[in-house]
Amino acid sequence: DTGVSQDPRHKITKRGQNVTFRCDPISEHNRLYWYRQTLGQGPEFLTYFQNEAQLEKSRLLSDRFSAERPKGSFSTLEIQRTEQGDSAMYLCASSPGHYNEQFFGPGTRLTVL
Amino acid sequence: GENVEQHPSTLSVQEGDSAVIKCTYSDSASNYFPWYKQELGKRPQLIIDIRSNVGEKKDQRIAVTLNKTAKHFSLHITETQPEDSAVYFCAVEIQGAQKLVFGQGTRLTINP
Repeated sequence: DTGVSQDPRHKITKRGQNVTFRCDPISEHNRLYWYRQTLGQGPEFLTYFQNEAQLEKSRLLSDRFSAERPKGSFSTLEIQRTEQGDSAMYLCASSPGHYNEQFFGPGTRLTVL
Repeated sequence: GENVEQHPSTLSVQEGDSAVIKCTYSDSASNYFPWYKQELGKRPQLIIDIRSNVGEKKDQRIAVTLNKTAKHFSLHITETQPEDSAVYFCAVEIQGAQKLVFGQGTRLTINP
């Protein structure tokens, strides 16, 4: 499968624990995005990378959230001290950069107990 | 910031009939408008998009129309089939920001 991949697909954690998600974009896509989707809503933008540079962060991304893309390839999203309100689907998307199309991965569903 | 309104929130049509979903946006500088289809438990899938230099784009049974003056765009699905049942999201790219702002979604049900 040459599409965007995400790992893990599901994560259940207890409140206060830290979690980390990984996204592997489509090969040679230099733009990578993280979105969050809650039930019945459209995806909401969290942050965006062009190569290894993080160019924008949403105000939704509190200081408990951090994202990296160290070599301009895969990215990680870490949530520290998880809260029940963090329960959502975390989606990653990548884009080739020349065009606007964003292609989504299958998402990581986070449940915070 | 950009505001995207999508209507209707639910739509039920008979198999073979047409379905139309509309979105309005607020930022006149926006110039890229994709539509995504999301089946239950699956990723959003890009099905069609349009840029502001064209007014209409068609791909088999799916078409998108754009009215930049009125700041609205629509998804048209003709000859609907049961596999068209899903949630459809419109989105608008924020000019210069590279991010997408999504509508609230339309749950489309095709009745056999």
